[in-house]
Amino acid sequence: SQTIHQWPATLVQPVGSPLSLECTVEGTSNPNLYWYRQAAGRGLQLLFYSVGIGQISSEVPQNLSASRPQDRQFILSSKKLLLSDSGFYLCAWRMDTDTQYFGPGTRLTVL
Amino acid sequence: GQQLNQSPQSMFIQEGEDVSMNCTSSSIFNTWLWYKQDPGEGPVLLIALYKAGELTSNGRLTAQFGITRKDSFLNISASIPSDVGIYFCAGRWNNDMRFGAGTRLTVKP
Repeated sequence: SQTIHQWPATLVQPVGSPLSLECTVEGTSNPNLYWYRQAAGRGLQLLFYSVGIGQISSEVPQNLSASRPQDRQFILSSKKLLLSDSGFYLCAWRMDTDTQYFGPGTRLTVL
Repeated sequence: GQQLNQSPQSMFIQEGEDVSMNCTSSSIFNTWLWYKQDPGEGPVLLIALYKAGELTSNGRLTAQFGITRKDSFLNISASIPSDVGIYFCAGRWNNDMRFGAGTRLTVKP
């Protein structure tokens, strides 16, 4: 069966510091991968998606970037965090079929 | 782009009551999904609907894919305290998936 992991689960970072969040998927090959951000009590905002290694599409221009160095690894990065980057970051995967599955999330607090 | 309108935004109900929430769109989708999110966790898929008119149940949950392909509803029967959480609808059209803003459900014992 497929499993999706996110690391770390919780992160507190100062403004201006770099960021690296990791998402890995097990039990599947060549999935579509997604990064979402969820502000407190709000819905899901799609940040990036990838249909293959090295292929990244950005939905919202901002100081975040994403990379897919391996088939089942998706990384969300920033060179300098802003206060507004605080939120709950969710990775998700989907195959050619329709159903999308989410990881457990990373809670990021920027101080 | 396609937008989803999910309602209600929040519900406060008594344990044992039935719950109904829905999502509508001005555009058609070819898949509707319903998720539940507990605090501090990722959304978990509850029900997936793939055909217009489809009615699918998962325990006390029932969801339907609207005939027009522009709407879907989720019903929860005989609510229990662990039903508390945020419920999201999602609609997919080709490679594009959109999410509703969520319905926050509170169940009073």
